[in-house]
Amino acid sequence: QKEVEQDPGPLSVPEGAIVSLNCTYSNSAFQYFMWYRQYSRKGPELLMYTYSSGNKEDGRFTAQVDKSSKYISLFIRDSQPSDSATYLCAMSGNNYQLIWGAGTKLIIKP
Amino acid sequence: SQTIHQWPATLVQPVGSPLSLECTVEGTSNPNLYWYRQAAGRGLQLLFYSVGIGQISSEVPQNLSASRPQDRQFILSSKKLLLSDSGFYLCAWSSGHEAFATNFGSGTRLTVV
Repeated sequence: QKEVEQDPGPLSVPEGAIVSLNCTYSNSAFQYFMWYRQYSRKGPELLMYTYSSGNKEDGRFTAQVDKSSKYISLFIRDSQPSDSATYLCAMSGNNYQLIWGAGTKLIIKP
Repeated sequence: SQTIHQWPATLVQPVGSPLSLECTVEGTSNPNLYWYRQAAGRGLQLLFYSVGIGQISSEVPQNLSASRPQDRQFILSSKKLLLSDSGFYLCAWSSGHEAFATNFGSGTRLTVV
């Protein structure tokens, strides 16, 4: 079993829809939870990070962490074609290493 | 503001040839530095990380090596490339108190032929 599981997709939704992206994990020691966006042939870009449980909102993006279920989510409201990218989750404990999901390819159809 | 430079953007090398990829970070001191590899359609694999000059930790045994000759310079090398070394190589950095908030360079797409 991988430490972090993420559905690779692709996930295709119409423009304006609410998108839900998810990851599950097995290591209860994880404290930091990150979401990265990666456009084709580019490096990943940090979107949001959350410490421990709870929600965090930044514009159209909301990150949720449920440590009791070992489940994290990223919601995108009013999705735009420019949101089409691969979204990677990552998490870590109190060290320098990140454990990554495989990434979900998201396609927003105009 | 902090920036990270990674070059070249693309590279085609024959099997058995050497490799040197360089990465530099500006606008911060004593960063944690990382080399990742990403296979097509897959997640990121940590290859090496460094918390200071001359301090290199290897995560995956292979024919690659890394060096950190200066505080903000990180180099990925190989003496003889294999076909299996093809992939997308990413340099990244984080600051000591926010090691989880890693920032990436634009990547090098390496094709070994």
